[in-house]
Parts: sequence; structure tokens; C-alpha cells
Amino acid sequence: EADIYQTPRYLVIGTGKKITLECSQTMGHDKMYWYQQDPGMELHLIHYSYGVNSTEKGDLSSESTVSRIRTEHFPLTLESARPSHTSQYLCASRGLANTGELFFGEGSRLTVL
Amino acid sequence: GENVEQHPSTLSVQEGDSAVIKCTYSDSASNYFPWYKQELGKRPQLIIDIRSNVGEKKDQRIAVTLNKTAKHFSLHITETQPEDSAVYFCAASRGGSSNTGKLIFGQGTTLQVKP
Repeated sequence: EADIYQTPRYLVIGTGKKITLECSQTMGHDKMYWYQQDPGMELHLIHYSYGVNSTEKGDLSSESTVSRIRTEHFPLTLESARPSHTSQYLCASRGLANTGELFFGEGSRLTVL
Repeated sequence: GENVEQHPSTLSVQEGDSAVIKCTYSDSASNYFPWYKQELGKRPQLIIDIRSNVGEKKDQRIAVTLNKTAKHFSLHITETQPEDSAVYFCAASRGGSSNTGKLIFGQGTTLQVKP
């Protein structure tokens, strides 16, 4: 089934650990995005990609990095997690047209102790 | 940079009443305006969208209006039901297939429909 998948759904880790949040979509979408969202609050764009080997920083400054080596895969990495990184991270994708629907994954809820 | 302002931040209505959420945008090149609904603990999902070549679009109890001159658009929900309770986000982006396809979201409105 065409969808967008995120793993892990929940993660609790200690300060200083390196983590990677995985995001994969099976819809063949060129555009992919990472949003940071506290529960019920604003969606902050932190990274986006328009295709393979294309990555850009979003509007919210983030210490995370992303890569786009394959169309379907857009992982987000935190080299050294801190309590301020505690949040929910939503991955999304969109087709070529900028007026297409944005499809969201179910999110990865990260807690850094 | 691009900005989308959304009001109110919270809205409480009685079941059966109407609800209106308003957004303004700053980028005059924006021509696509979707609305997303996010239920508690779930992912945002598209409920309706409008393109700049029309002023109004309706889908059953939901309608969206757009005023390009004033750079604002609104979501109207009529005959509200408890299952309409959620956080609603407006958004704006430029159209076409250029690489300027960032979707900028408003701050969100928490709608509570009281039975």
C-alpha cells in the first residue's frame, strides 16, 4: 500500500547519544520534508528535499542533518541529542506539482533525558 | 520571509453552530492554500484546498474562501459535530513545479465542539 513510514515511533534516549529517525515513502514522490511539532502546536519546517542529492534547511534552526541518497528514503540524524530536542518529528512527502497534497507519516516521538 | 498567521488559536462552539478560522499570508506569489486537520495523537490530513484562480470552494459542511487582494483565506465549518474537534492548520505555497514548493503552515487552531 502506498504510504509514508516512520521509525521508530517512540524513542527515549540519554543526552549525547546519536540517533537517526527513518522515513520512507512508497509513492515515488520527489519532495520530502521534516517538521518538528510539539503536541497540538505549530508545525515547524526543519529540512526539505526536492529530489535525490538535494537538501535544504527549513525555517526553524535545527542541529539535525538529513540526507537524500534514494528517492524513497529521507533519514534525519542528530549527532548528539539534548533534552531540548525532545519533540515529535513528522516526515512528509509530496508529488512534483506544488499544489499536490502533503502526506504525513505517523511521526517519531523523541524524548531525550 | 514567507509567513502565515492564523486566528484564533482556540475556538469553542456548541454542536450545530458554525466555526470560522482565518489566515493571512505574506508571500504574494502564493497561489495554493490547503487546510489540514489533526486529531489528537494522529497525523495531519488534508481536508480541503483552494487555488488562487477561484474565490470559494465547498465540500459538504466545509468551505474555504480566498481573498487574494487582501491576502487572506478562511475555513468555514457549518453544523459542527463533536468529531470535528481537532487542531486545524492553514498553509500556503507557490504553485507550479519549481523548487519553491515549501508549504508554510499557520500556528494552528484548536477547535472544540461541545455536545
